[in-house]
Amino acid sequence: GNSVTQMEGPVTLSEEAFLTINCTYTATGYPSLFWYVQYPGEGLQLLLKATKADDKGSNKGFEATYRKETTSFHLEKGSVQVSDSAVYFCALSNIQGAQKLVFGQGTRLTINP
Amino acid sequence: DTAVSQTPKYLVTQMGNDKSIKCEQNLGHDTMYWYKQDSKKFLKIMFSYNNKELIINETVPNRFSPKSPDKAHLNLHINSLELGDSAVYFCASGDRGSNQPQHFGDGTRLSIL
Repeated sequence: GNSVTQMEGPVTLSEEAFLTINCTYTATGYPSLFWYVQYPGEGLQLLLKATKADDKGSNKGFEATYRKETTSFHLEKGSVQVSDSAVYFCALSNIQGAQKLVFGQGTRLTINP
Repeated sequence: DTAVSQTPKYLVTQMGNDKSIKCEQNLGHDTMYWYKQDSKKFLKIMFSYNNKELIINETVPNRFSPKSPDKAHLNLHINSLELGDSAVYFCASGDRGSNQPQHFGDGTRLSIL
C-alpha cells in the first residue's frame, strides 16, 4: 500500500537558518504530493503541492521538488523565521480510486529568535 | 467565508455518551472526508463520501457512523464514547478524479473524561 516517511522531529533551528525536512514515499502509479502545515492550535493548511515528476511546488519561501527516481519530496527553506514554527506533514494521494490522503508522521519545527 | 466549517470546535464529554460532529463545505466539491489525528499528531483517514455515497470505510469501530445528507455536508456520529476516542477530528473536502488538494476544516478536539 501507499506510505509516507518523514524525518523524525522535533527540529529546532535558529532564525535565518536553512531548513530541510526529508520526505520519502511508496506508492503505486503516479501520486500527487503535498506538504501541509499545522500552526499551534489550528487546522491543516496546504503549503505546497506537486502533481508530476520534476514539478517544483513553492509557497512562502518553501520549496519541494517531486523526485520520482528517489521517491522523495523534501521540503526546504533558505531562511526560516520564528513564524514558521509549526508541525509539517508530507502527504500523497492517488488520482485513481477514492484519493484519500496518506500522511507522514509529521515533523515539529521550532524556530528560536 | 469559511470553506470547510466544523462544529463544535471543542467537545468535552463523559465515557459512554453519544455525540455528533458536523461538517459543511461551500467549495462545490463532490467528495468529503473524515480524518483522525491522535495525540502524537498522526493523521489517518476514517471515512469518505462521494456525492452521498460511502467510498472509504477504514478499519474504524462501528460505534462511528458517518452520514452525508447531501454532497455539501458530512456528519460524524459516535456512540458509546471511549477514552481512546479522544483526538482531533478533521473534516476535508476535494474533487474526486482531480489532482487538486483537499481543503481541511479547523478540527474538532474531542476529550473524553
